[in-house]
Amino acid sequence: EDKVVQSPLSLVVHEGDTVTLNCSYEVTNFRSLLWYKQEKKAPTFLFMLTSSGIEKKSGRLSSILDKKELFSILNITATQTGDSAIYLCAVPGGADGLTFGKGTHLIIQP
Amino acid sequence: GAGVSQSPRYKVAKRGQDVALRCDPISGHVSLFWYQQALGQGPEFLTYFQNEAQLDKSGLPSDRFFAERPEGSVSTLKIQRTQQEDSAVYLCASSIARPPYEQYFGPGTRLTVT
Repeated sequence: EDKVVQSPLSLVVHEGDTVTLNCSYEVTNFRSLLWYKQEKKAPTFLFMLTSSGIEKKSGRLSSILDKKELFSILNITATQTGDSAIYLCAVPGGADGLTFGKGTHLIIQP
Repeated sequence: GAGVSQSPRYKVAKRGQDVALRCDPISGHVSLFWYQQALGQGPEFLTYFQNEAQLDKSGLPSDRFFAERPEGSVSTLKIQRTQQEDSAVYLCASSIARPPYEQYFGPGTRLTVT
């Protein structure tokens, strides 16, 4: 059975801090790993990673994949209150649907 | 359209009622997925369509759940004889092709069964 485990489940930091969110996975046939940000409604796509060791970057957010150790990290630098959200990690499973972790609930305090 | 749209955004049903939830995917997207998200959990896969073909329905929790996409565009998720445990947010996502392409999510329908 495909499995995605995220840590920590919740995190409270102050504005300006840097955070690292973790995602480990077990999947029969790895094809990609995706990160989403979920505020009050739809998960919004952040990154898709397919190759090990190549960092994807968008502004203050970056992510990297380690296919040997079966994990990915999402980094957010110089955090802002607008970064407060649930961050979801997911992998496509055998059924093509995504298997999600429970998410990391990130709270940025002013 | 610009994104995935879903309707209604909120639905309250009495236990035993049937409900129908609609999803309009991004135009041209071949793949369409339905997910169920309980409070405090990540979304859980329900079913997947490639065009009008339902290729996987392994995540549907019971035979009360039924999904269709007859013309390969709009999809409807129907839940018959709703139960309290069906209360959740139902998310629809579409993708330009089969994975590993990224999926784009709609805003969801929050279903509350009383």
